[in-house]
Amino acid sequence: QQQVKQSPQSLIVQKGGISIINCAYENTAFDYFPWYQQFPGKGPALLIAIRPDVSEKKEGRFTISFNKSAKQFSLHIMDSQPGDSATYFCAARGVYGNKLVFGAGTILRVKS
Amino acid sequence: DGGITQSPKYLFRKEGQNVTLSCEQNLNHDAMYWYRQDPGQGLRLIYYSQIVNDFQKGDIAEGYSVSREKKESFPLTVTSAQKNPTAFYLCASSNQVTRNEQFFGPGTRLTVL
Repeated sequence: QQQVKQSPQSLIVQKGGISIINCAYENTAFDYFPWYQQFPGKGPALLIAIRPDVSEKKEGRFTISFNKSAKQFSLHIMDSQPGDSATYFCAARGVYGNKLVFGAGTILRVKS
Repeated sequence: DGGITQSPKYLFRKEGQNVTLSCEQNLNHDAMYWYRQDPGQGLRLIYYSQIVNDFQKGDIAEGYSVSREKKESFPLTVTSAQKNPTAFYLCASSNQVTRNEQFFGPGTRLTVL
């Protein structure tokens, strides 16, 4: 009953390149879309988040693009660095409450 | 130093045993959550609590139990009824009023021998 579909499952990018991870959500009312970054053996940490009233949010090298009509959002990592190598999760929060629905995750490896 | 602590970091259990995972937070958050992480499946919600002495089942509650006697603490018991308990368990908390981000603990890796 996955409501958030994430792709690709894994991604290899050269240092300095652009990493792009995509998520799509299904017919449920969500009002907050965070991205989490997780290093091996650690808990996830919030990277960047967006609300559906904006189409793009940028923080440093990280940008979320949001397409409300298509029910899709994506994470772009510009000038990818080896230190960005981690697992990335997209998530969506329902309009009521604090529960998050997570995508399956993307393992990113940035080659130096 | 505010945050969420989970203990132990690694836990080994024999089949048929119940084990309890600890989660403590000093962020003064009302809501707390337990997730299970398996490779390729993301984070799946086991139980959550929005207030002391109250909790709700998540998507995969079978074989697990929780309690919320104190605001700071939300222990998870993995019972012998859980058929495949080997996984990475993550605890999180959030501010119920502001509905800001969920903060995660460092996790407990449970292995059934």
